[in-house]
Amino acid sequence: QVQLQESGPGLVKPSQTLSLTCTVSGGSISSGSYYWSWIRQPAGKGLEWIGRIYTSGSTNYNPSLKSRVTISVDTSKNQFSLKLSSVTAADTAVYYCARAVYYYDSSGYREYFQHWGQGTLVTVSS
Amino acid sequence: QSVLTQPPSVSAAPGQKVTISCSGSSSNIGNNYVSWYQQLPGTAPKLLIYDNNKRPSGIPDRFSGSKSGTSATLGITGLQTGDEADYYCGTWDSSLSARYVFGTGTKVTVL
Repeated sequence: QVQLQESGPGLVKPSQTLSLTCTVSGGSISSGSYYWSWIRQPAGKGLEWIGRIYTSGSTNYNPSLKSRVTISVDTSKNQFSLKLSSVTAADTAVYYCARAVYYYDSSGYREYFQHWGQGTLVTVSS
Repeated sequence: QSVLTQPPSVSAAPGQKVTISCSGSSSNIGNNYVSWYQQLPGTAPKLLIYDNNKRPSGIPDRFSGSKSGTSATLGITGLQTGDEADYYCGTWDSSLSARYVFGTGTKVTVL
């Protein structure tokens, strides 16, 4: 059973860069056709998709965050990472990493998050 | 600013049925598959329904999903106190601002 675990600083100062890592266990990050994704949730609010990466290194980002986001993958460590620059208090949230299944067929495109990490709270404050 | 609209809350007594709607457009629900997630208090979301109406292994058949046009619906029958949670729909949005989008979320309360 695949498991994901987020790690990184719980407190980041305004204007600095938020950095998180997701460690995948129970399977190789390189096996199968999956997107490795980041999602966040401010306290008391809904879910926001940040972006995703394929093991080839191909990425897609939420246009609202694209200028500040970088997602990378390290297949040798079975990890993928998130960097969010120039953070403000609005970036305070629980950050989740997740594995997404995706594929096309004649009826359309499907992508869904099959496995999630437990989430990690990141607070932006001086 | 989510493009998928859900009712903020629904409620019913134990054993009853609730339905949660998820309204979108042709750029998202209308042309892509919908999934649903259950988020129990203080926990990560969990996949409940994928491909509009399929249940992952271990999800009871009390949970069902459907899609028609640009809307999707999650149904929960035989409501239990353990079903109290937030529920989110999700799908890919194929507009110029292509991205994965989640619904606004619905709180289910068991009376």
